[in-house]
Amino acid sequence: NAGVTQTPKFQVLKTGQSMTLQCAQDMNHEYMSWYRQDPGMGLRLIHYSVGAGITDQGEVPNGYNVSRSTTEDFPLRLLSAAPSQTSVYFCASSYPRDGNEQFFGPGTRLTVL
Amino acid sequence: LAKTTQPISMDSYEGQEVNITCSHNNIATNDYITWYQQFPSQGPRFIIQGYKTKVTNEVASLFIPADRKSSTLSLPRVSLSDTAVYYCLVGDLMIYNQGGKLIFGQGTELSVKP
Repeated sequence: NAGVTQTPKFQVLKTGQSMTLQCAQDMNHEYMSWYRQDPGMGLRLIHYSVGAGITDQGEVPNGYNVSRSTTEDFPLRLLSAAPSQTSVYFCASSYPRDGNEQFFGPGTRLTVL
Repeated sequence: LAKTTQPISMDSYEGQEVNITCSHNNIATNDYITWYQQFPSQGPRFIIQGYKTKVTNEVASLFIPADRKSSTLSLPRVSLSDTAVYYCLVGDLMIYNQGGKLIFGQGTELSVKP
């Protein structure tokens, strides 16, 4: 199994540009989530999904959209990038019936100029 | 969601036992206590989870008193490779259909010295 994969690894955007961060998992996990981590800080929950077709907001959802059309994929869309969105983005997945263990991807480092 | 409070940083030496305490005064009845480890430039990794009393696995032990308002992660005989940030979380993803989610706090930066 590849686990949780994220693309791209690095991205530089200009203010106002849009882009999609990709996240995929091959473990048939129902639960997927997106976090952002700013330098020296903990992770903050952006959006999460409890299954295909179902998404909900986390702590810091503004400026981001998500969709979950399949169990495997959970893309995160930045509608109009701002410098405040410069961060490292982590995607995670889990099988909640097993408890609170989430499997994290390697992260996408995003810089908005 | 219950908020957690942990020390911002801790120092230790190789071979010592390290105990990191987390306070979660508003923990809900269905919440589990979970600890994650994060190395620089990597995503967090699950270490251990418990509901009450003591849980032990090959990596760590988790001590939870009867009132569940705090918990202690114990790392036996740490090595340099245990230098990382450790996060305490409370929540219950098993009720994900009722809004269960996990919120990370600031974490404890553990530095292990030779």
